[in-house]
Amino acid sequence: KAGVTQTPRYLIKTRGQQVTLSCSPISGHRSVSWYQQTPGQGLQFLFEYFSETQRNKGNFPGRFSGRQFSNSRSEMNVSTLELGDSALYLCASSLRGARTDTQYFGPGTRLTVL
Amino acid sequence: AQKITQTQPGMFVQEKEAVTLDCTYDTSDQSYGLFWYKQPSSGEMIFLIYQGSYDEQNATEGRYSLNFQKARKSANLVISASQLGDSAMYFCAMREGTGSARQLTFGSGTQLTVLP
Repeated sequence: KAGVTQTPRYLIKTRGQQVTLSCSPISGHRSVSWYQQTPGQGLQFLFEYFSETQRNKGNFPGRFSGRQFSNSRSEMNVSTLELGDSALYLCASSLRGARTDTQYFGPGTRLTVL
Repeated sequence: AQKITQTQPGMFVQEKEAVTLDCTYDTSDQSYGLFWYKQPSSGEMIFLIYQGSYDEQNATEGRYSLNFQKARKSANLVISASQLGDSAMYFCAMREGTGSARQLTFGSGTQLTVLP
């Protein structure tokens, strides 16, 4: 079974631009979560989608948004990029997002904002 | 208060020896899950092992075992027979069971270096 895939792997953008990151979960997984990883803040939860609905959202500004499609693929969008948005963005999928479900992560998208 | 605390920013271990990475957690839920992930320099988070709060036995997966002490709220990862490829960042994470707070909360990580 193929793992979680994320595209693109690397992105360089300038302040004020917007960016869209894509995540394809493991086949059969319906829950997709996004995390931001930075050296200063560590790993922080962005949001979780299940069956095309945002089920949970972390403490991030409205510039960060996401969606999930009927095939469980998910995208996240960051508008009006700031320097502080430079980070590794990790997507994780699980079967149902239940407490006992293991989240499997993709390789991440490394975003650099100049 | 930190929900997940990893007090060892860095650890060194000799190849073929065992090493314990510490993790303590804070939750008022009775139902929760504890996870350990490995993150090599490439960035991908690799799932290692899971322990449920109601599991009576300590979880084991190959060379990985989880020393779960519920009363002390600790979930230490033990790696036996360390290999050079074990050099990586290790994260402890918790998923609580109530409400919508089902995301993983991560600790700050422990950088493990295996010496030849």
